[in-house]
Amino acid sequence: AQSVTQLDSQVPVFEEAPVELRCNYSSSVSVYLFWYVQYPNQGLQLLLKYLSGSTLVKGINGFEAEFNKSQTSFHLRKPSVHISDTAEYFCAVSERGGSYIPTFGRGTSLIVHP
Amino acid sequence: DTAVSQTPKYLVTQMGNDKSIKCEQNLGHDTMYWYKQDSKKFLKIMFSYNNKELIINETVPNRFSPKSPDKAHLNLHINSLELGDSAVYFCASSPRGGNEQYFGPGTRLTVT
Repeated sequence: AQSVTQLDSQVPVFEEAPVELRCNYSSSVSVYLFWYVQYPNQGLQLLLKYLSGSTLVKGINGFEAEFNKSQTSFHLRKPSVHISDTAEYFCAVSERGGSYIPTFGRGTSLIVHP
Repeated sequence: DTAVSQTPKYLVTQMGNDKSIKCEQNLGHDTMYWYKQDSKKFLKIMFSYNNKELIINETVPNRFSPKSPDKAHLNLHINSLELGDSAVYFCASSPRGGNEQYFGPGTRLTVT
């Protein structure tokens, strides 16, 4: 069975500063990895995904993430955040060849201050 | 067009009542899901369902039951509602063999 750990429950940052949201996973098999964003009072929306190939994945809204197999990590980054990036961010993992049902982390609240 | 839609958006009801939440997807996906998100934003899968298989999270009380009239719909029926059922419920779908999920806007259930 897989598991996901998001190390920070809350990340405050000033506008135009860079940000990194951390995600580590555990699995006995190869995995697919995802980041989702949830804006207030909305459903989750896919930011980016890693299925295979290049370990650096680019997503929407200027976000990117890097898959590091040796460190079992999939950290999310953005070089310059905006107020509108304030939201809850979820890392998720599903196992290749499995049921495809993802396991979600507990979420990281990104708070961007002016 | 909304890809995954849910109704109602808000639902306030009393303990002991029975209620249903409807979900529809127009993406042609094979698999649909129900999730519960608690007040701390923790997302817990309740059910996964396609034409052939229902996977139930064994921690979900049997007061909760999914009902699928067809491939595009997966409704959630809840019997004998309890205070602890108060949460936001999300429907989602994914394509066959698919990876990413497409979420609905959520239904905020409040049990008084």
